[in-house]
Amino acid sequence: EIVLTQSPGTLSLSPGERATLSCRASQSVSSSYLAWYQQKPGQAPSLLIYGASSRATGIPDRFSGSGSGTDFTLTISRLEPEDFAVYYCQQYGSSPQTFGQGTKVEIK
Amino acid sequence: QVTLRESGPALVKPTQTLTLTCTFSGFSLSTSGMCVSWIRQSPGKALEWLALIDWDDDKYYSTSLKTRLTISKDTSKNQVVLTMTNMDPVDTATYYCARSPVGLGYFDLWGRGTLVTVSS
Repeated sequence: EIVLTQSPGTLSLSPGERATLSCRASQSVSSSYLAWYQQKPGQAPSLLIYGASSRATGIPDRFSGSGSGTDFTLTISRLEPEDFAVYYCQQYGSSPQTFGQGTKVEIK
Repeated sequence: QVTLRESGPALVKPTQTLTLTCTFSGFSLSTSGMCVSWIRQSPGKALEWLALIDWDDDKYYSTSLKTRLTISKDTSKNQVVLTMTNMDPVDTATYYCARSPVGLGYFDLWGRGTLVTVSS
């Protein structure tokens, strides 16, 4: 089973700043089958990025994903007030698919 | 409009069997590539994938929970059912169903989730 480790656990930033979130896999994620989700309090997660770098429908271009192999990054170029949330990565290249433990982006 | 909605008991006793139903609309689980999964989230914790059923009725389970889980589908009713046996307080969580449109992949649509508490 592939273990995903996200860092940092919490990111304290101000609106307008750039956020860089990391997701590291214990083994190579085949074909860059990695996704990112955003979860706000009391809500279900919502898909942001799939295939490591493809934005889901309706996701603004301030969100971008990159990486391959074992190291992946989610970047939010300029934080908007609605971006403060918890972010999870997920690998679906091998079964069982697994999630990281999450990174909370909070207002500084 | 594509939607998924989870339903089931809010409270179960330890050792009981939990049965959850995911009722969906706007897509068919007989479409090639379509899958529905169950995922849970304990309070304040990360997401944990539990089980998946695909358009061809193939089933996949979490390694750690597979002896307790059964997933099934009723294509005519647009429903996916998950049963989990021998419930324990550590199984207290919000249970989500979610759709994967391209096989064993990412989840593009999620239900709102249903909170299940395990307590005597």
